[in-house]
Amino acid sequence: DSGVTQTPKHLITATGQRVTLRCSPRSGDLSVYWYQQSLDQGLQFLIQYYNGEERAKGNILERFSAQQFPDLHSELNLSSLELGDSALYFCASSLDRNTEAFFGQGTRLTVV
Amino acid sequence: AQSVTQLDSQVPVFEEAPVELRCNYSSSVSVYLFWYVQYPNQGLQLLLKYLSGSTLVKGINGFEAEFNKSQTSFHLRKPSVHISDTAEYFCAVTQTGANNLFFGTGTRLTVIP
Repeated sequence: DSGVTQTPKHLITATGQRVTLRCSPRSGDLSVYWYQQSLDQGLQFLIQYYNGEERAKGNILERFSAQQFPDLHSELNLSSLELGDSALYFCASSLDRNTEAFFGQGTRLTVV
Repeated sequence: AQSVTQLDSQVPVFEEAPVELRCNYSSSVSVYLFWYVQYPNQGLQLLLKYLSGSTLVKGINGFEAEFNKSQTSFHLRKPSVHISDTAEYFCAVTQTGANNLFFGTGTRLTVIP
């Protein structure tokens, strides 16, 4: 158990819909990362927050957004969903940058 | 810009044989390097990391990796694999002072009984 909790574990939704994925980092970790893992694109970095502020942005679509709340949990919002958004979405947390990241079990999103 | 190349997408190996999973990175500045393992239907778990110091790093489950700055490599090795080592292995790099980890495309290790 990494200490990072992601909910829900599975999500099935229709195209055009909006979903919210939730992540609770390890106790004490200030940094939260979001990754998307799909068969054709591998593990893609989406975005990172540190203590409530956005720190780095990767290949995140404009339809996607995230935030980190004062209690340090984070949410990833995916809107206008397309079939191609079906993937595993991982959250990871770390104490600070340059320290190892601990990953949650992921949320498997299926868009039908 | 940083990038990570895992040269082998799939590596089959017989049980109790040695294995090496290759990883090369590109960066013009100092880096930190990591190997993660992903078992089926699970998240990524840290195997080992190189931050500084000795270039030979030992990790969990009998794995080790060697940082070679001149060849910009961080290959993962195990002298004798077990069936339970069957998984996907990811090499990752972050630039010192940067914020995010860049992952390679992964190597699927299959241990054959």
